[in-house]
Order: sequence, then C-alpha cells, then structure tokens
Amino acid sequence: EDQVTQSPEALRLQEGESSSLNCSYTVSGLRGLFWYRQDPGKGPEFLFTLYSAGEEKEKERLKATLTKKESFLHITAPKPEDSATYLCAVKSGGSYIPTFGRGTSLIVHP
Amino acid sequence: ETGVTQTPRHLVMGMTNKKSLKCEQHLGHNAMYWYKQSAKKPLELMFVYNFKEQTENNSVPSRFSPECPNSSHLFLHLHTLQPEDSALYLCASSQDRAGGLSGTDTQYFGPGTRLTVL
Repeated sequence: EDQVTQSPEALRLQEGESSSLNCSYTVSGLRGLFWYRQDPGKGPEFLFTLYSAGEEKEKERLKATLTKKESFLHITAPKPEDSATYLCAVKSGGSYIPTFGRGTSLIVHP
Repeated sequence: ETGVTQTPRHLVMGMTNKKSLKCEQHLGHNAMYWYKQSAKKPLELMFVYNFKEQTENNSVPSRFSPECPNSSHLFLHLHTLQPEDSALYLCASSQDRAGGLSGTDTQYFGPGTRLTVL
C-alpha cells in the first residue's frame, strides 16, 4: 500500500524567510510525484510533477526536488500570497490512482 | 470556460433531499474523478471514470450515485445524505486513467462544491 507523509503539518514564516516542506513516500515503483497548492475552500491547483530521483522543477519562488524516498518543496523568500495548503501525492506502478498526503498548511506573515 | 468547472459552488440540503453536483472539463481529457475532502483528512477518492466507463468505486455508500454521460461531463447524484457527508466535493480530470510518463498522469481539479447536510 502506497503511503505519503507530509511534514510539518503547519508552518508559519515571516515574509522573506525561506524554508522547505517535506513529503516522504513509500511506493512500489514510483510513476510520479505531484505537488499541488490549495487555497481555503478551493480545489487544488497543480504545481509540479516529478518522475525520477534527482529531478528538479522551479516556478517563481517554488522549487521541487525528488529523491528515492522523499520530495522537498523549497520556498525562497516567501510572500503572504504564498500562504496556502500544499499537497503532495504519489502514483505508483501498483495503482493508477494517486495517494495524497494530509498537506502542509503554510502561513506567511508580512 | 477553461479547465475544470463545478456547479453549484455551495449547496445546503436536508437529509431527505435529492440534489446533483455537476462537473465539466474543457481539457479534452478522458478520465474524470470524484473526491471528498473533509477537514484534517487526506483527499478521499470516491469514483473514477475512464472513457465514460466506471473503473473505480472506492466503497462509497449507495446514497452517492455517479453518472458520466460523456468524457466531458460528470455528475454526482445525492439522496438521503447524512450530516457526516458534509464536505468539499472535488472533481478532477486527467488525460486518461493510465496516463504515462509524458505528463498525462497529472490530475487537474475543479474549484469544488461545498456541501452542507442539515
């Protein structure tokens, strides 16, 4: 059974204070790891897909990295508008359905 | 409209009511999904349709009934719900259920319907 654990559960940062969110996973043959951003009361917004260890992707202040056991979402010099819940999901060779983590709630104070 | 749309955005219903949620995707995808999102819980997959055929039913109670008339539209019919069914219901689509290594695995979500059962 695929498992995804995200940490921390909640994170408070000051504007400009860089940090990282963690997504640890256990799967049988990774097909893809996905990062989403979700604002309160809205649907998840797709950010990145990573397929193999060593892969990195960037978008504005966000950078996602992947190893064989975990993924990090690095946030550089965050702004208040980066406040949201960040979801991680994995899809494995054993199932076509993604498994989601519980998310990390990020609050960036001005 | 672009992406994945859902209507209504908010719904309040009594336990004896019958209502339907609608989802439409404008991405040319072939797979569509219903998820339930409750506070402090991971997304719970409910149903999957691939090329209009239901391929997954994740032990969902029969008071939830999905319908997929074509690859662009997905409905969730609700009847005799319970207060614990109150949640955010999300629709998503992807190129197809199997996808591949070309990025087609990615699911794109709608804005959700906030359902409250009284």
